[in-house]
Amino acid sequence: EVQLVESGGGLVKPGGSLKLSCAASGFAFNNYDMSWVRQTPEKRLEWVAYIIRGGTTTYYPDTVKGRFTISRDNAKNTLYLQMSSLKSEDTAMYYCAHGDYGYFDVWGAGTTVTVSS
Amino acid sequence: DIVMSQSPSSLAVSVGEKVTMSCKSSQSLLYSSNQKNYLAWYQQKPGQSPKLLIYWASTRESGVPDRFTGSGSGTDFTLTISSVKAEDLAVYYCQQYYSYRTFGGGTKLEIK
Repeated sequence: EVQLVESGGGLVKPGGSLKLSCAASGFAFNNYDMSWVRQTPEKRLEWVAYIIRGGTTTYYPDTVKGRFTISRDNAKNTLYLQMSSLKSEDTAMYYCAHGDYGYFDVWGAGTTVTVSS
Repeated sequence: DIVMSQSPSSLAVSVGEKVTMSCKSSQSLLYSSNQKNYLAWYQQKPGQSPKLLIYWASTRESGVPDRFTGSGSGTDFTLTISSVKAEDLAVYYCQQYYSYRTFGGGTKLEIK
């Protein structure tokens, strides 16, 4: 069974940092591009990071560029999202998602990040 | 950035009714070299993660019931549910993947 399990969310103060992880199983992780997508408390969905299967190329929207870093360890079948300089508007449920062509055909259950003083 | 707009924001229908919802993009999602529209639809039921329903604007994901149909091209797209079931209560999102990825604001489907 294809599965993605996120972890690492929590409460962090503005300006702080947090690192999310996503453990993948049931598929050849190193053969797929991966992304992080977040959902705000208002239920708006926003793609926040993308990494190709080899890990050498990444993309971010302007809202997080320079603050978020996506990475992967193919030997451990794990995807990461390092978040720094966090703002209140980064408060969201963060999903790990699998999708080679740009659409997301597998989603994890998500991990909640709350940025508040 | 490509902006995605969905309408209506919510609608309430009775079981068995036909439903259509709209998704419009600020620029064409049709890639000329392969004639594919880079548009997907998702269903998110309460308390669950989004689930892929449709990709390439009209290709149904494996296991998705055939009452769900995606159509449209260019900048205007439609998701149709031919005969709504109670289990279709959800928020439906469209997403473009022509340039990076952006989502619409969603259409909330309620059952009368």
